[in-house]
Amino acid sequence: QLQLQESGPGLVKPSETLSLTCAVSGGSISTNSHYWGWIRQPPGKGLEWIGSVSYSGKTYYKTSLKSRVTISVDTSKERFSLNVNPVTASDTGVYYCASAVDHLLQLHSWGQGTLVTVSS
Amino acid sequence: QSVLTQPPSASGTPGQRVTISCSGSSSNIENNYVFWYQQLPGTAPKLLIYRNNQRPSGVPDRFSGSKSGTTASLSITGLRSEDEADYYCATWDNSLSGLFGGGTKLTVL
Repeated sequence: QLQLQESGPGLVKPSETLSLTCAVSGGSISTNSHYWGWIRQPPGKGLEWIGSVSYSGKTYYKTSLKSRVTISVDTSKERFSLNVNPVTASDTGVYYCASAVDHLLQLHSWGQGTLVTVSS
Repeated sequence: QSVLTQPPSASGTPGQRVTISCSGSSSNIENNYVFWYQQLPGTAPKLLIYRNNQRPSGVPDRFSGSKSGTTASLSITGLRSEDEADYYCATWDNSLSGLFGGGTKLTVL
């Protein structure tokens, strides 16, 4: 069974870069028809799709975040990453990594989520 | 405010049927698949319905999805206390972006 685990700093200063990594186990990140995505949830609010990457490195980003977000995949280490730069307080929230099959929003497997706070 | 509109809350008593709507437009719901997620308190979301009306293995058949025009719906029959959670719809938008609805908090009275 596929397992995903987020890791990265829990506190980031405004105007700096938020960097998170998602480690994939129980399956290969190089599986065709799989997409690897990031979703976030501000405290007490709803879900927001950030973007996804295929195993070949093709990326898909939320239009309004495209200028600040980079998602990449490292098949040799079975992990994918998220960078958001620059960050503001509105980027505070729980960040989830997830695996999608056949469709970018068919998110079958999720990490437990990691809280990132943007504050000086 | 989300492009996909869901009622902020819904409620029902055990055994009842509850329906949660998700309203969009011709640039998203009408021409794309709809997905539904269940988020229990303090946990990651779980895929409940994919491609409008398909259930992943392990999801009870009490949960069903449908779509008509620019509105999608999630129905739960035989409501149980463990169904108390937040429910989100999701779909693709023709602006090449994924969208989630604002979420509906379901209370089992």
